[in-house]
Amino acid sequence: NAGVTQTPKFRVLKTGQSMTLLCAQDMNHEYMYWYRQDPGMGLRLIHYSVGEGTTAKGEVPDGYNVSRLKKQNFLLGLESAAPSQTSVYFCAIKTGYGYTFGSGTRLTVV
Amino acid sequence: AQTVTQSQPEMSVQEAETVTLSCTYDTSESNYYLFWYKQPPSRQMILVIRQEAYKQQNATENRFSVNFQKAAKSFSLKISDSQLGDTAMYFCAYYTNAGKSTFGDGTTLTVKP
Repeated sequence: NAGVTQTPKFRVLKTGQSMTLLCAQDMNHEYMYWYRQDPGMGLRLIHYSVGEGTTAKGEVPDGYNVSRLKKQNFLLGLESAAPSQTSVYFCAIKTGYGYTFGSGTRLTVV
Repeated sequence: AQTVTQSQPEMSVQEAETVTLSCTYDTSESNYYLFWYKQPPSRQMILVIRQEAYKQQNATENRFSVNFQKAAKSFSLKISDSQLGDTAMYFCAYYTNAGKSTFGDGTTLTVKP
């Protein structure tokens, strides 16, 4: 989606491995979000940031860490992946009108 | 805690007809935003329409309109002249000014030719 880029798009991890998902915006918006979407469900907020250097917990933060060292980038980390973290992960930014989402990362933990 | 409920897991409609998707929410806040998002099989989240809670007038975007009942905490989406490309999962979402958000579990809409 224009303006929000997520990498990688797909990833398979073994239980206990770590990884970092990157969300990058090519605009200058303050608010950035990380969600997870499980099959047949809506999006649940993991963590969010209201500006560079800030982070806050969402609805399901356990097992995840985030960092916003640069305004354009919001990183989501899994320190020790578990099968329960198998999901599709979306990043989003808050614009003047609404929220723009990235195209998602499909993560499978085996 | 904020909750968003979409009571219709699945719906279908004939092409060119009108369909209404229901959404109710629960909040103690007075100022917030409500959204409908569309998620086609491509998985991309697409903003359909938004409503500011302080506005009484219902939002409209072409074939899409909402019925916002603040007192009843209801926010339904009406799709007129349904098209095959409207087939998707639709999510109702609630956002606060502080940045937090809550999504419903979605309604899968199928438009039949």
